[in-house]
Amino acid sequence: DGGITQSPKYLFRKEGQNVTLSCEQNLNHDAMYWYRQDPGQGLRLIYYSQIVNDFQKGDIAEGYSVSREKKESFPLTVTSAQKNPTAFYLCASSIRTEAYEQYFGPGTRLTVT
Amino acid sequence: QQQVKQSPQSLIVQKGGISIINCAYENTAFDYFPWYQQFPGKGPALLIAIRPDVSEKKEGRFTISFNKSAKQFSLHIMDSQPGDSATYFCAARNDYKLSFGAGTTVTVRA
Repeated sequence: DGGITQSPKYLFRKEGQNVTLSCEQNLNHDAMYWYRQDPGQGLRLIYYSQIVNDFQKGDIAEGYSVSREKKESFPLTVTSAQKNPTAFYLCASSIRTEAYEQYFGPGTRLTVT
Repeated sequence: QQQVKQSPQSLIVQKGGISIINCAYENTAFDYFPWYQQFPGKGPALLIAIRPDVSEKKEGRFTISFNKSAKQFSLHIMDSQPGDSATYFCAARNDYKLSFGAGTTVTVRA
């Protein structure tokens, strides 16, 4: 089965802790993306990566970090510097870097208290 | 600031009716306009997409209308069914990135 997996589905953390969200794809896609979804605000781009060992900041990168050491993996770390980390996080990938068709994972709902 | 403005925020339609969602943009560099459908607790899935050199694209009960001069595009869901109840996002692509609208929650009443 080809697709994008995100784990875990639900994640709970205490304020001040860093947390890493997993994203793996077996679609052999070059590009990967992280979005944050909040009610009434649509999807906002956090980071994206066009190739291994390269990534760029999106519109709301502050308080987040990523790595792209393998083509199939693009983990997102939510650091304690992120002021309002509670949200639904979505990972996506596209076959080419031009981002025409993005395929999304099932998402991780992060709650920080 | 949202680069793609989407309306309405929500709508309710009777089974068999037509749902219409509108989006507007300012950036003329956008070159691809997809629509995504999202069910609660799931990731969005690509529904239909259009390029700016085409005025209309139809796939089954879903139609995109595109007005390049007005910088507007819309999604029409014909013969709406309860299974179409979901949140719909319009988006626009530029420079390797998609910008999304805020989403429209569609409820189809049986």
